[in-house]
Amino acid sequence: DVKVTQSSRYLVKRTGEKVFLECVQDMDHENMFWYRQDPGLGLRLIYFSYDVKMKEKGDIPEGYSVSREKKERFSLILESASTNQTSMYLCASKVGTGVYEQYFGPGTRLTVT
Amino acid sequence: AQSVAQPEDQVNVAEGNPLTVKCTYSVSGNPYLFWYVQYPNRGLQFLLKYITGDNLVKGSYGFEAEFNKSQTSFHLKKPSALVSDSALYFCAVRPYSSASKIIFGSGTRLSIRP
Repeated sequence: DVKVTQSSRYLVKRTGEKVFLECVQDMDHENMFWYRQDPGLGLRLIYFSYDVKMKEKGDIPEGYSVSREKKERFSLILESASTNQTSMYLCASKVGTGVYEQYFGPGTRLTVT
Repeated sequence: AQSVAQPEDQVNVAEGNPLTVKCTYSVSGNPYLFWYVQYPNRGLQFLLKYITGDNLVKGSYGFEAEFNKSQTSFHLKKPSALVSDSALYFCAVRPYSSASKIIFGSGTRLSIRP
């Protein structure tokens, strides 16, 4: 079974803090993704990575950065957290570039106060 | 612009009745289409996908989806709903031109009453 784990289920941070969200997958997948999920908006892609040290901006990259130093780990960084970044963050991984499904982690609910 | 629409925020069905969750898409070229489900307090799980071939695709938990190219739709169906099917359902499309990125719809909450 593919397993995607996220470092925290719930996180509360203060405005202006630097926040790290970690994601690890155990199936040697090339592609990894970070989404945020908001009611009525579905999932929106923040960043994705198709290989170690490679990344591409998604639809809403502003205020975020990412790091992929190892194949199994993909980190999302909020440089200076703001209240409008309060959301559910979902990490996913996928094998190769074929038409394969993405495997999702359980999500991190981040609250910025 | 490429997009996916789920026109219903919520669908309510009695247990045992058939259910349909609607999805339409707008992409250039031939699309690859997916359905995912999110149970309470859990991440998304893959249900089924359409790549090519037979327009009726079968997936997990007894779900199926029908691809209709002329109507640009990919509706999710199940002949007989279970209370345990209550969850949030997302339709998604991967444009042919995209190597990995997919576009998600806004989600439809399915509620099955006993």
